[in-house]
Amino acid sequence: KAGVTQTPRYLIKTRGQQVTLSCSPISGHRSVSWYQQTPGQGLQFLFEYFSETQRNKGNFPGRFSGRQFSNSRSEMNVSTLELGDSALYLCASSAEQGRKGEKLFFGSGTQLSVL
Amino acid sequence: AQTVTQSQPEMSVQEAETVTLSCTYDTSESDYYLFWYKQPPSRQMILVIRQEAYKQQNATENRFSVNFQKAAKSFSLKISDSQLGDAAMYFCAYPRSYQLTFGKGTKLSVIP
Repeated sequence: KAGVTQTPRYLIKTRGQQVTLSCSPISGHRSVSWYQQTPGQGLQFLFEYFSETQRNKGNFPGRFSGRQFSNSRSEMNVSTLELGDSALYLCASSAEQGRKGEKLFFGSGTQLSVL
Repeated sequence: AQTVTQSQPEMSVQEAETVTLSCTYDTSESDYYLFWYKQPPSRQMILVIRQEAYKQQNATENRFSVNFQKAAKSFSLKISDSQLGDAAMYFCAYPRSYQLTFGKGTKLSVIP
């Protein structure tokens, strides 16, 4: 089975632009979640989707949004980019949503640099 | 709120030796899970080991084992016979409400 695939791996944008990141989960997995990783704040939860519905959202401004498609692939969008949005964005998938102790499988992330 | 604390930002170990990474957490739940994840330079987070809180027995996966002390809310990771490929960031994580809360991580260096 192929793992979680994130594209692109690297992205450079300027302030004020918007960006879309893509995540393809492991085949058969229906839950996709997103995390932001920075040296200062560490790993922070952005949001989680299951069957095309956002079930949980972290403490991020409305500029951060996402969606999930019927094939479970997910995209996240950041509008009006700020310098502080520079980070590694990690996507994770799991087979079921909400089952206690469910293992999450991560992709290699998209490194976003905002200039 | 759940918090996860890793008090060792960096550690090093000689190849073939044993090292223990510390993690403490805070929760009011009695039934929960805990994870250790490894993040090598490739950046992919890899699940190392999972512990169920209601199980008294410490989880073990090959050279990786945990020392789970529920009353003390401590969850340390022991790596035996350390190998060069073990060099990475290690994160302790607590799952709840469809999300993981991570510690700040411990950077492990392996000295040949």
